[in-house]
Amino acid sequence: DVKVTQSSRYLVKRTGEKVFLECVQDMDHENMFWYRQDPGLGLRLIYFSYDVKMKEKGDIPEGYSVSREKKERFSLILESASTNQTSMYLCATRTSSDTQYFGPGTRLTVL
Amino acid sequence: GQQLNQSPQSMFIQEGEDVSMNCTSSSIFNTWLWYKQDPGEGPVLLIALYKAGELTSNGRLTAQFGITRKDSFLNISASIPSDVGIYFCAGQYIAGANSKLTFGKGITLSVRP
Repeated sequence: DVKVTQSSRYLVKRTGEKVFLECVQDMDHENMFWYRQDPGLGLRLIYFSYDVKMKEKGDIPEGYSVSREKKERFSLILESASTNQTSMYLCATRTSSDTQYFGPGTRLTVL
Repeated sequence: GQQLNQSPQSMFIQEGEDVSMNCTSSSIFNTWLWYKQDPGEGPVLLIALYKAGELTSNGRLTAQFGITRKDSFLNISASIPSDVGIYFCAGQYIAGANSKLTFGKGITLSVRP
């Protein structure tokens, strides 16, 4: 079974704080993704990575950065959190057959 | 860009009923995926389709990859209360390292006991 884990299920941060969201997969997949999910807007791609140290912007990268130092770990960084970044954040990994599997999500609230 | 349409936004059915959900695209896809999401959880993959015309089952769930490659449907038979959740379709056209999924906005399914 594919297993994708996210470091926190719930997180509360203050405006201006630096926030790290961690995602780990145990299937040696090359491709990993970060999405945010908001009511009425669906899933939106923030960044993705197709190899270690490789990253590509998704549809809404502004205000975010990512880090992929090891194959199994993909981190999403909010350099200076803002209230409009309050959201559900979902990490996903992709298999060789182009199927994506998601982690359980991190509900981030920025006060 | 590519868009996936799922409608209606919400569906209400009686326990034991069958329900069918459709997903349509403005362009063709090579892969169709169906996910279910429970409140506060990540989406869980239900069925993956890779070939036009393909019909695949997973328990009480059946999904089909449309012949035109622009649509897919998911059918749930004999619904039960735990079928409640949001059902997403997703499609992908280009395979390879830089390919991305396009998601529908989901249908919220409610099942009345």
